[in-house]
Amino acid sequence: ETGVTQTPRHLVMGMTNKKSLKCEQHLGHNAMYWYKQSAKKPLELMFVYSLEERVENNSVPSRFSPECPNSSHLFLHLHTLQPEDSALYLCASSQVGRNSPLHFGNGTRLTVT
Amino acid sequence: GNSVTQMEGPVTLSEEAFLTINCTYTATGYPSLFWYVQYPGEGLQLLLKATKADDKGSNKGFEATYRKETTSFHLEKGSVQVSDSAVYFCALSGDNQGGKLIFGQGTELSVKP
Repeated sequence: ETGVTQTPRHLVMGMTNKKSLKCEQHLGHNAMYWYKQSAKKPLELMFVYSLEERVENNSVPSRFSPECPNSSHLFLHLHTLQPEDSALYLCASSQVGRNSPLHFGNGTRLTVT
Repeated sequence: GNSVTQMEGPVTLSEEAFLTINCTYTATGYPSLFWYVQYPGEGLQLLLKATKADDKGSNKGFEATYRKETTSFHLEKGSVQVSDSAVYFCALSGDNQGGKLIFGQGTELSVKP
């Protein structure tokens, strides 16, 4: 398998549930990212991990909790979400450095009921 | 701070028409510039990039030239196809951002036969 793989592709959860999104990259990259894509809004950068350390947290509510156990895996743990958190969550990876492009997964479509 | 502004969509064209999607940016220093494309149900894919002034990025018939004097990176294609229907995102990576991308809001393109 190559590229960036995200699971599940679709997730429906109630506001009291706890779930996790998973991302795996097979590109040998050393940085990983979570983005949120909502309708009619620009992509929002949520978290950045560089060399397995979290280097950015863009004022994301604590109901979103990232985890990066190694350079190939990234998780987003979800709990007590709100309906406005419904969106497409995109994972990406890259080599550290400003000219290095991001490689995206196909995303997890999250619906909070 | 750094920012990217794209023309509003949706853009609807007939097959073989000429395409221009405008993108302008605000950044300090010398950012790298990117165009990404998102097909329905998929994540973002890198379309082309340019890393310094006057560079021209090209791929699949698409082109964009890094214009520092006008802070622009407009996307063009001479003859669009139905298969080009997608959402296009302009993005930049700044000098001190370690590879983090700032995205425009995206422009939806619909090409009719």
